[in-house]
Amino acid sequence: GAGVSQTPSNKVTEKGKYVELRCDPISGHTALYWYRQSLGQGPEFLIYFQGTGAADDSGLPNDRFFAVRPEGSVSTLKIQRTERGDSAVYLCASSDRRAGGETQYFGPGTRLLVL
Amino acid sequence: SQQGEEDPQALSIQEGENATMNCSYKTSINNLQWYRQNSGRGLVHLILIRSNEREKHSGRLRVTLDTSKKSSSLLITASRAADTASYFCATDPRGGNKLTFGTGTQLKVEL
Repeated sequence: GAGVSQTPSNKVTEKGKYVELRCDPISGHTALYWYRQSLGQGPEFLIYFQGTGAADDSGLPNDRFFAVRPEGSVSTLKIQRTERGDSAVYLCASSDRRAGGETQYFGPGTRLLVL
Repeated sequence: SQQGEEDPQALSIQEGENATMNCSYKTSINNLQWYRQNSGRGLVHLILIRSNEREKHSGRLRVTLDTSKKSSSLLITASRAADTASYFCATDPRGGNKLTFGTGTQLKVEL
């Protein structure tokens, strides 16, 4: 079946602009995760949804970052007043928590460049 | 923050040789997972080992876990050029929650 998809693949924006990144999880997966990966580093956790609610948002760096998952499927990561330091690859993953699944399946990521 | 560290940071071997990567972590875990990443994009899940397991195999992959030393190793046997990638370990403290990734090992397999 289809894997996790993310759009856009690449996003170039100017400092101070607002961006939205979209994630389509694997159909039926109840859990959805956002990570951010800077060059040469491992991914860092941002936020985790179980269904529609954010179960853990402890990784969001500040209040410019916000994520939603209104119907328990697609999620949008929103970044306000972007800064050059926000440039990174944003990765989304999903897992089937109903089946006790701990394996997270990752999408291809969105490469964000803030000029 | 990064929980673990992979060792070595970079590894270059010849095709057919074995590659061993090590991962150390700091806090207690429910499970530890290994992922592969090509060209800095999506991660591919390789194998998951639970805290009560000591060794696991999947094809050419062998993973060990020593919870007393808070360390894990990934062995790739009979490596191929297609194994060239970055490899990350990730710890899961509670099972199905957020993953904390290490810094990665860049493996290059040369023909």
